[in-house]
Amino acid sequence: GAGVSQSPSNKVTEKGKDVELRCDPISGHTALYWYRQSLGQGLEFLIYFQGNSAPDKSGLPSDRFSAERTGGSVSTLTIQRTQQEDSAVYLCASSLGVQGNEQYFGPGTRLTVT
Amino acid sequence: GQQVMQIPQYQHVQEGEDFTTYCNSSTTLSNIQWYKQRPGGHPVFLIQLVKSGEVKKQKRLTFQFGEAKKNSSLHITATQTTDVGTYFCAANPAGGTSYGKLTFGQGTILTVHP
Repeated sequence: GAGVSQSPSNKVTEKGKDVELRCDPISGHTALYWYRQSLGQGLEFLIYFQGNSAPDKSGLPSDRFSAERTGGSVSTLTIQRTQQEDSAVYLCASSLGVQGNEQYFGPGTRLTVT
Repeated sequence: GQQVMQIPQYQHVQEGEDFTTYCNSSTTLSNIQWYKQRPGGHPVFLIQLVKSGEVKKQKRLTFQFGEAKKNSSLHITATQTTDVGTYFCAANPAGGTSYGKLTFGQGTILTVHP
């Protein structure tokens, strides 16, 4: 079956512009996660959804970052007024449930802010 | 907050040598997961450990969970060039309220010289 998909795969934007990143989880997976990975670094947790609600938003770096999930499926991560330090690969993952379930990762969106 | 230390950061081995990466948590864990990320790829789930002192094997890979459920290791016997990549541990804290928030270690980058 289809895995987690993300779009766009690459995004180059100018500093100060807003960007929207999209994640399509595996069908039937109720939990969805967003991470950020800078070059050669580990995964930085941003936010996760259980259904459409986000119990933990503590990883969002600033109020310029927001995320939503509708219909228990697709999620969008929005970054407003992008800064150069936002440049990274944004990874989305989904799992059957929240507790103790393996996460399936998408290919990521590489964001470059110029 | 939850902290997960993973060592070493880098490991270079000759093909056929063994490799071990270690993961240590500052708090007791509910479970721990291991992921592998090939160069240019996304993390792929390898295994989950739940029980104190648990040992699991996958061909040449051996995973251990410490008795106190605060540390874990991944050992690869007789490395092959296909083992190249970054190995991450990901920790689920015990008794936490944010069950979905996996804390990833910084990863160990493994290179294998043929």
